[in-house]
Order: sequence, then structure tokens, then C-alpha cells
Amino acid sequence: LAKTTQPISMDSYEGQEVNITCSHNNIATNDYITWYQQFPSQGPRFIIQGYKTKVTNEVASLFIPADRKSSTLSLPRVSLSDTAVYYCLVPLRGSGAGSYQLTFGKGTKLSVIP
Amino acid sequence: DGGITQSPKYLFRKEGQNVTLSCEQNLNHDAMYWYRQDPGQGLRLIYYSQIVNDFQKGDIAEGYSVSREKKESFPLTVTSAQKNPTAFYLCASSRREGRETQYFGPGTRLLVL
Repeated sequence: LAKTTQPISMDSYEGQEVNITCSHNNIATNDYITWYQQFPSQGPRFIIQGYKTKVTNEVASLFIPADRKSSTLSLPRVSLSDTAVYYCLVPLRGSGAGSYQLTFGKGTKLSVIP
Repeated sequence: DGGITQSPKYLFRKEGQNVTLSCEQNLNHDAMYWYRQDPGQGLRLIYYSQIVNDFQKGDIAEGYSVSREKKESFPLTVTSAQKNPTAFYLCASSRREGRETQYFGPGTRLLVL
């Protein structure tokens, strides 16, 4: 199975908008793309989920182009408490027709600087 | 964390010993998952179960075993065949497999003595 690709780390100042992109060339058509936030020694926490175009909730936006080969998580006006690792979870095509497996990216460590 | 509990928070294993990690959920979810997390490696799928009495291997199932006798419970056994078991283990559940948000427990850190 092809894998997903995310930047290993990113730095941002407080109050800025942060965009984290996950690339996934071998995405299946069957399922949503989901993003999670994880703090050290804790389980990942759901942030946002989408299938196509743009989704927005109270904490983030998710942009997915028509070909679904990438997705971008947008965090508006980050604060120090947003320092965490962010993961995409993507359905990648399997070997059988119509099969797929949900696969996590390796995560992007976001550091927010005062 | 939601309605998913994992115990213990820390677990120590001696050489040649099998240990079992507990995962319980009260969300009435059909699907449950076990992931292993190593530094810089993200989450890797060990096993998953879509329904009671059924489970499938994930990417790194060797040296692990699971059971799903009850809907709310999905214990993971780390056997002596797993030569490098030190990691952070995460359990998750979703209403059903695929197209549903996975909710994670707080994790168990396994260390080898």
C-alpha cells in the first residue's frame, strides 16, 4: 500500500494561521479523511473530518481538492495550547477490488512560539 | 478519551512473559482497534475487529493476539514472540469499521524489564 506524507515538523508564532498538508496519492474513493491532534502520552483526539471540498467546525477547517490526493488542515490563530502532533487518517486502496485500509500519516509536530 | 478506558497506564514485562492490555468501551461501538506507537513512527495498526467474535490482522500483527468475546471489550496480548514490545499502545473504537470517526483511549505504555 502506498503511504501518506506529512511534514515532520512546523513552527508558528501565536496568532498566526497554520496549514498542514497530507499527501495521499493512492486514496480510495470509499471513505472520509480525518485529522487528529495528539498531546504527549495521550490518545489522539478527533479534530475534523471531510470527503471533498471544504469543511469547517469551531476549531479548524479542512480543504480537500476534487482529486482527493491531498488534504490540508487549517488552524486559525493558533495559541500555545495548539502545540501538539497532528495526524491525518486516510483510506488507502488495497490489493483487492474495492478494498481499502485506513492508514495514519506519521504526524506533523507543530510548535507554537510565543 | 470519551467512553474508552485502557488499563493499566504503565505495564512492565519480563523476558519471555506474556502480558495482556485491557480495552473497554461503553459507546456501543461495533468496531475496535489496537495501534502501536513508537517515537517518530506515528500509529501502526496491530489488529482490528468489526464485530464480536471476529477480528483481522493489521500491518504489524506478529507477536500479538486478540480476542473479542464481548462487544465492549477487546484485550490485546503481547506474547513472548514480540521481541521489541516497548511502545505506547492505543485502543480505539468506532460505530462501525470504516467511514466512522475513531475514538481513542488514553493509552498503555509497555516497558521491558
